[in-house]
Amino acid sequence: DIQLTQSPSSLSASVGDRVNMTCQASQDINNYLNWYQQKPGKAPKLLIYDASNLQTGVPSRFSGSGSGTDFTVTISSLQPEDIATYYCQQYDALPLSFGGGTKLEIK
Amino acid sequence: QVQLVQSGAEVKKPGASVKVSCKASGYTHSSYVIYWVRQAPGQGLEWMGWINAGNGNTKYSQKFQGRVTITRDTSASTVYMDLSSLRSEDTAVYYCASGRITMVRGLMSWFDPWGQGTLVTVSS
Repeated sequence: DIQLTQSPSSLSASVGDRVNMTCQASQDINNYLNWYQQKPGKAPKLLIYDASNLQTGVPSRFSGSGSGTDFTVTISSLQPEDIATYYCQQYDALPLSFGGGTKLEIK
Repeated sequence: QVQLVQSGAEVKKPGASVKVSCKASGYTHSSYVIYWVRQAPGQGLEWMGWINAGNGNTKYSQKFQGRVTITRDTSASTVYMDLSSLRSEDTAVYYCASGRITMVRGLMSWFDPWGQGTLVTVSS
């Protein structure tokens, strides 16, 4: 099974900061890596698919990068509404799997 | 615009079964997949299985094999997830989500959109 390790597990940043969250896969996943945002009490929402493609309607301050086993989602200028937990997910192989999440808070 | 609407919260006793529904609207074809994902309180996301909405073929995570059954009613555009032999550890929010079917990746895809979630509480 492919393991996804997200770091950090929690992060505190100020409005306007540039924020990076990472996801490391236990093996090469051929860029089949997606990112989701989950706000408290809500369903996850797709932000980025295939490592670097922004889903329609997602603000351009979000971006994704990486390849092979190491991936990053970046918020260029943190906004108060970005407070959420962020999950990565791979679909290179079964079982489909998610990382443990990064909880983002405002400082 | 595709939308998934799930059934309401359930409370079940240990050993019982639960059936959660997920009604899809906005699709003009049947070439899509419905996934089931669960999230225990304060925990992360866990994939349980999928169903091809077109032909009804299913695939389950080994962790849930033998306890989970995913079915569909094409006339009602509704997918069902049945989980049996419930235990307290099955207390979670259960989500359905949709994905696309492609020649390259088959039924493996990103999850979009998601249903609103169904809380299943298992308690004696």
